[in-house]
Amino acid sequence: KQEVTQIPAALSVPEGENLVLNCSFTDSAIYNLQWFRQDPGKGLTSLLLIQSSQREQTSGRLNASLDKSSGRSTLYIAASQPGDSATYLCADSGTYKYIFGTGTRLKVLA
Amino acid sequence: EAQVTQNPRYLITVTGKKLTVTCSQNMNHEYMSWYRQDPGLGLRQIYYSMNVEVTDKGDVPEGYKVSRKEKRNFPLILESPSPNQTSLYFCASMELGTDTQYFGPGTRLTVL
Repeated sequence: KQEVTQIPAALSVPEGENLVLNCSFTDSAIYNLQWFRQDPGKGLTSLLLIQSSQREQTSGRLNASLDKSSGRSTLYIAASQPGDSATYLCADSGTYKYIFGTGTRLKVLA
Repeated sequence: EAQVTQNPRYLITVTGKKLTVTCSQNMNHEYMSWYRQDPGLGLRQIYYSMNVEVTDKGDVPEGYKVSRKEKRNFPLILESPSPNQTSLYFCASMELGTDTQYFGPGTRLTVL
């Protein structure tokens, strides 16, 4: 059974810093790896999706990579801003069944 | 405006009293899904539906029922709620083939 883990659970960085969020999964037969953002008290917003045949996806200051052999995905945020403060979740989104990680709560300090 | 709505947003109830949380989307999406979110456990899928009259279990379906009689609605039913079902519940919908889910605002349920 697929298990998805995100470490650390919380992270604080000063504004302007580049940072990496980690996501680990136990089953390398991953279908898609998706990164989401959740603001306090709100639902999730999809950020990036990496299909199993891809290695990375980019959107603006965000870059997500996928290494199936090592069971890892990373979300790179360049030049972080206070508006990036949120909880970031990764998920194995295979065949419409979603397995989420527990999330990393990011705080970017002004 | 394209949206997913959930009602109620907050609910406090007692053990054993049947309740229904409604979910409705106005985007004509085929796929709908229910999740619960708990501290330290993250978001877990309860049930999902690929279309009208087609539903399937997620990771944690025990104690829940769903129905999909119309494309726009996907209610979550707790026949006999227990305190361990106290949680934050999210409904989501998606157009098949797009991999982009739209989430509702959440329903915070407390079972005493």
